[in-house]
Amino acid sequence: QKEVEQNSGPLSVPEGAIASLNCTYSDRGSQSFFWYRQYSGKSPELIMFIYSNGDKEDGRFTAQLNKASQYVSLLIRDSQPSDSATYLCAVNNYGQNFVFGPGTRLSVLP
Amino acid sequence: DAGITQSPRYKITETGRQVTLMCHQTWSHSYMFWYRQDLGHGLRLIYYSAAADITDKGEVPDGYVVSRSKTENFPLTLESATRSQTSVYFCASSESRQTYGYTFGSGTRLTVV
Repeated sequence: QKEVEQNSGPLSVPEGAIASLNCTYSDRGSQSFFWYRQYSGKSPELIMFIYSNGDKEDGRFTAQLNKASQYVSLLIRDSQPSDSATYLCAVNNYGQNFVFGPGTRLSVLP
Repeated sequence: DAGITQSPRYKITETGRQVTLMCHQTWSHSYMFWYRQDLGHGLRLIYYSAAADITDKGEVPDGYVVSRSKTENFPLTLESATRSQTSVYFCASSESRQTYGYTFGSGTRLTVV
């Protein structure tokens, strides 16, 4: 059973701080790594994806991938109260379907 | 309107009844998916479809039936609803099963009493 694990949280950070969300996965052959944001009562929306080891930046978001250690993380710089949501990590190996983690709830305190 | 729409948004049904959840997308995406989301389990794939008339099981297919006679529609039917099928159901679509992100519909909250 391929697994994707995330700390359920809540992770609380003050406004303006860096929020660090982590995700580990069990399938060493995983190739694609996606981050989704889900506001309470809403559907998930894609915010970042990464395929290669290292960092990928998009505005205030940075995805970090370390395939050797089998973890992927999402950093949110200058966190805002509007970033308060659940963040889902999704991982897949080519030829297979994505496996979603349970999500980490982030709370950004004004 | 362009996008992916699900109906109904909320549904209450009785145990043993058949219920169908609808999903419609306007992008002509090849792939469509049905997920259920439950506390503690995250999103779990029920069924997916690679094209019209091509469907395949996901992680939790038991008790569900799907069809895809047209590219834009992917209905999910609970043949005989059980309380364990109380959940939030999301439909999603994508150009690819693996390399592109999925776009999710707004979800259907189903309660089986």
